[in-house]
Amino acid sequence: QSALTQPASVSGSPGQSIAISCTGTSSDIGSYNYVSWYQQHPGKAPKLMIFDVSNRPSGVSNRFSGSKSGNTASLTISGLQAEDEADYYCISYTTSSTWVFGGGTKLTVL
Amino acid sequence: EVQLVESGGGLVQPGGSLRLSCAASGFNISSYYMHWVRQAPGKGLVWVSRISSDGRSTSYADSVKGRFTISRDNAKNTLYVQMNSLRAEDTAVYYCAARKRDGNNFNDYWGQGTLVTVSS
Repeated sequence: QSALTQPASVSGSPGQSIAISCTGTSSDIGSYNYVSWYQQHPGKAPKLMIFDVSNRPSGVSNRFSGSKSGNTASLTISGLQAEDEADYYCISYTTSSTWVFGGGTKLTVL
Repeated sequence: EVQLVESGGGLVQPGGSLRLSCAASGFNISSYYMHWVRQAPGKGLVWVSRISSDGRSTSYADSVKGRFTISRDNAKNTLYVQMNSLRAEDTAVYYCAARKRDGNNFNDYWGQGTLVTVSS
């Protein structure tokens, strides 16, 4: 149950687009379309931003989008805003009937 | 208002036990898969355990398998985790989460967490 691999940090200027990758294996991301993305602000509980690879829960801005290719999932945030600055985590279901998070990515809005 | 409230955290010595509870209000957990997720101070989220809506199916991260037991009481609208043989590396904020597909949407609720500190 190794953690999924995410970049430790990404940054972008307001209005720009950024992408965060999440790399797993054929035992997790590669086997299912059960990848979700969470946003977490300091001291707060995580908030679901994307489920099932590319679906947005109601109320989440359409500036957030998700995709997957092979063993790698990606979260793209377009039109960066100051309030997007947070930690982002991917999570995937696995062939062992467990779940595994990525290590997390700190997004800095310059 | 939908709410999940964790309780039972605190300071415990290595080798000790603790039972966390997660009380739900504003919705019925009986149709939700329930999870425990932890976050060590300054670290990332780590999935710990999951229980099916009827309680018949459970799964655990390797790091807690054999030491932690997840359970639920749908009549009390409450989730539990019994944590035994605690280690220093179990120190973390423990969150409970309720997750369920609802048509084209996804209901996903989290508590604010309870801190467990394992130290002598």
